[in-house]
Amino acid sequence: GQSLEQPSEVTAVEGAIVQINCTYQTSGFYGLSWYQQHDGGAPTFLSYNGLDGLEETGRFSSFLSRSDSYGYLLLQELQMKDSASYFCAVCRGKLIFGQGTELSVKP
Amino acid sequence: NAGVTQTPKFRILKIGQSMTLQCTQDMNHNYMYWYRQDPGMGLKLIYYSVGAGITDKGEVPNGYNVSRSTTEDFPLRLELAAPSQTSVYFCASSPAKNTGELFFGEGSRLTVL
Repeated sequence: GQSLEQPSEVTAVEGAIVQINCTYQTSGFYGLSWYQQHDGGAPTFLSYNGLDGLEETGRFSSFLSRSDSYGYLLLQELQMKDSASYFCAVCRGKLIFGQGTELSVKP
Repeated sequence: NAGVTQTPKFRILKIGQSMTLQCTQDMNHNYMYWYRQDPGMGLKLIYYSVGAGITDKGEVPNGYNVSRSTTEDFPLRLELAAPSQTSVYFCASSPAKNTGELFFGEGSRLTVL
């Protein structure tokens, strides 16, 4: 089977950097994805790590280490609009999602 | 370009009623998925399809059925609705396997009373 663990809540201030971790227990997968979901809205794709290492997309970066069964999403220069839920998901022909981390950005 | 379209957006059902959630995509994607999301929780995969005529169970398929007669459409059928099926349902599509990127519809909010 597979399970993913993320912190349930994270709080940070505007302009800061925040890291959302994702640890997983799964037997073989193709990569790790990250999604953002604003309250009541559809999840939107942020990034995908098919290989170990760091992927950077603007203010967002994502990291994967298969040997450590660990990944993270890094958000820089936080803005109020970044307040949302963030989900990691393992890709095994289909996406299996974690429970999500609710990020609150304070002024 | 409409992307993934779900109907209805909201629905209230009585226990034991049946209904179909519609999902259509205009991106010619082979892969389509149905997820449910309970309040404050992650998305749970109900069923998925890798192409017309092919469907498979996900993590929580009980109480649901799907069909995939065309590339565009992937309806989700609820038979004998139960309060436990109160949730937000998201349909998604993907152009290929293992890209990690899904395109989601806006969701269908279902309440079973």
